[in-house]
Amino acid sequence: EPEVTQTPSHQVTQMGQEVILRCVPISNHLYFYWYRQILGQKVEFLVSFYNNEISEKSEIFDDQFSVERPDGSNFTLKIRSTKLEDSAMYFCASSRTISSNQPQHFGDGTRLSIL
Amino acid sequence: AQSVTQLDSQVPVFEEAPVELRCNYSSSVSVYLFWYVQYPNQGLQLLLKYLSGSTLVKGINGFEAEFNKSQTSFHLRKPSVHISDTAEYFCAVSVDTGTASKLTFGTGTRLQVTL
Repeated sequence: EPEVTQTPSHQVTQMGQEVILRCVPISNHLYFYWYRQILGQKVEFLVSFYNNEISEKSEIFDDQFSVERPDGSNFTLKIRSTKLEDSAMYFCASSRTISSNQPQHFGDGTRLSIL
Repeated sequence: AQSVTQLDSQVPVFEEAPVELRCNYSSSVSVYLFWYVQYPNQGLQLLLKYLSGSTLVKGINGFEAEFNKSQTSFHLRKPSVHISDTAEYFCAVSVDTGTASKLTFGTGTRLQVTL
């Protein structure tokens, strides 16, 4: 069964540094998402992306965050100047259609640790 | 805006015993409901979903859930659990917005199955 893959599985970065998290969505999916889960807390929506545009973003997704689909397969989340509170598990997800009744398929996540 | 409440943060249960994980939601519009499972160091895997029709939905690994509109609940059940069911379980909702729809998650319930 096709999977969403995320790299790296664990990223350790100094505060203030830029970090890029990478995702390869399922190949025939058109809608892409990033979520994050701070340790011990719920999974929170960050951003959705379709047709090379952001569809929706949460309050968490401020100017230090950006997303990009640089080629036909990758979907990236960039954090420009990381803060301690950015430490979390970041999940990428994709879905085939726009309909909200289509399940989103998640990757295994990238654990981001900011020192 | 929609919200999800999972009142039980942890549910300990003996192997082969039945279990119910509770989920209540709040929304001013019709919702789609999902249960996801997260095994240690893995991503979120879809267990089951309610879109419309029969209020009792069956998912993978012997789990089922019942949608109750009047009580705004979507409780997850399994008649006999196994050690391998030990994991974090998340209830989530989405609504039709006309764009790529985000999932709103509950805080999760940790199911701990012991011998």
